[in-house]
Amino acid sequence: NAGVTQTPKFRVLKTGQSMTLLCAQDMNHEYMYWYRQDPGMGLRLIHYSVGEGTTAKGEVPDGYNVSRLKKQNFLLGLESAAPSQTSVYFCASSYSLGEPTGYEQYFGPGTRLTVT
Amino acid sequence: KQEVTQIPAALSVPEGENLVLNCSFTDSAIYNLQWFRQDPGKGLTSLLLIQSSQREQTSGRLNASLDKSSGRSTLYIAASQPGDSATYLCAALNDYKLSFGAGTTVTVRA
Repeated sequence: NAGVTQTPKFRVLKTGQSMTLLCAQDMNHEYMYWYRQDPGMGLRLIHYSVGEGTTAKGEVPDGYNVSRLKKQNFLLGLESAAPSQTSVYFCASSYSLGEPTGYEQYFGPGTRLTVT
Repeated sequence: KQEVTQIPAALSVPEGENLVLNCSFTDSAIYNLQWFRQDPGKGLTSLLLIQSSQREQTSGRLNASLDKSSGRSTLYIAASQPGDSATYLCAALNDYKLSFGAGTTVTVRA
């Protein structure tokens, strides 16, 4: 049981390049999330998904796209990277509301992205 | 929009002292509140989760309280140790979404 995993762990991009971050979970969770963490600002929600084939915008969605083609995977794409997207990206997953587990979110180890 | 605030931003205490970390939130219609620990350059480790119907949760030396009506949660760490040095984040859940505070960075001096 690996929990939540993220690929890659580190990446350096040039401005204008594109890339995809992969999040995978093996807990059969319905909900999945992408956050970014910047110094002094805590974590902010980028996009989230409440089930396979569904996605929704969070607090800071501009410049990112997501897809949830399989229940266990949630992909975050940057089509044209900008220096403002330099950040640490965290993926999380949870059971759906109403489950007895209390809707706790489980986080991956993060991806450190630098855009030059 | 939920706003979560953690004060102070940083705290330094001698080993053995009890720690009190504060978290406040603006929207009391939360589903739950979660406390996390983050070590430098690492991910988030969940410490405690308090459901909206609960007043507190305990795990070992950690105790978290929740007062929805006043929009406050407090994390108590008893008899602090140098290994407790980390950043502590609180997060409030509304409508599927967690809103995070910026964290309190704790240093426990040996």
